[in-house]
Amino acid sequence: GQNIDQPTEMTATEGAIVQINCTYQTSGFNGLFWYQQHAGEAPTFLSYNVLDGLEEKGRFSSFLSRSKGYSYLLLKELQMKDSASYLCAVRDLAPKLSFGAGTTVTVRA
Amino acid sequence: NAGVTQTPKFRVLKTGQSMTLLCAQDMNHEYMYWYRQDPGMGLRLIHYSVGEGTTAKGEVPDGYNVSRLKKQNFLLGLESAAPSQTSVYFCASSRTGGPSGELFFGEGSRLTVL
Repeated sequence: GQNIDQPTEMTATEGAIVQINCTYQTSGFNGLFWYQQHAGEAPTFLSYNVLDGLEEKGRFSSFLSRSKGYSYLLLKELQMKDSASYLCAVRDLAPKLSFGAGTTVTVRA
Repeated sequence: NAGVTQTPKFRVLKTGQSMTLLCAQDMNHEYMYWYRQDPGMGLRLIHYSVGEGTTAKGEVPDGYNVSRLKKQNFLLGLESAAPSQTSVYFCASSRTGGPSGELFFGEGSRLTVL
């Protein structure tokens, strides 16, 4: 099974940087995913990591360390529209994704 | 391009009633999933399917049944609804079950059981 931990809430100022950490324990590892979910909407895919290191996609970057069971999502140049819940998810050797409880990010003007 | 479509979007049931949620995808994806989302608990997997005619249990399968008679459809049934099944239900599909297989989600179905 999976045990996925991420902070419940984070607050940051528009234009700043926020880092959302995720730790996981799994019996098998086959990828780590980040999703964004605005209130009342469906989750949308942001990024995935399967190898150690940093993946950059515009203002969003995701990092993975498999040996430490650790990932983070970095949001740069925060905008008001980035206020949302960010979900960390791990795929194990079965073709299914297990999600953390999500981190609600509030961006203040 | 519809993607993943769920019906109905909203439903109110009385305890003991039955209902079926329909998920349809037009992306020819092999894998389909049903999750429920409750405040503070994130998305929890109910059942999933790795192809037409297959189903498998997820993390919280009790009280639910599923069927995948056609590749594009994945049905979630509640035989006797309970207040504990009040939740938002999300269907998702993916092309592959491997590392790059991102999930595409439907818009969700909000179910209230009184």
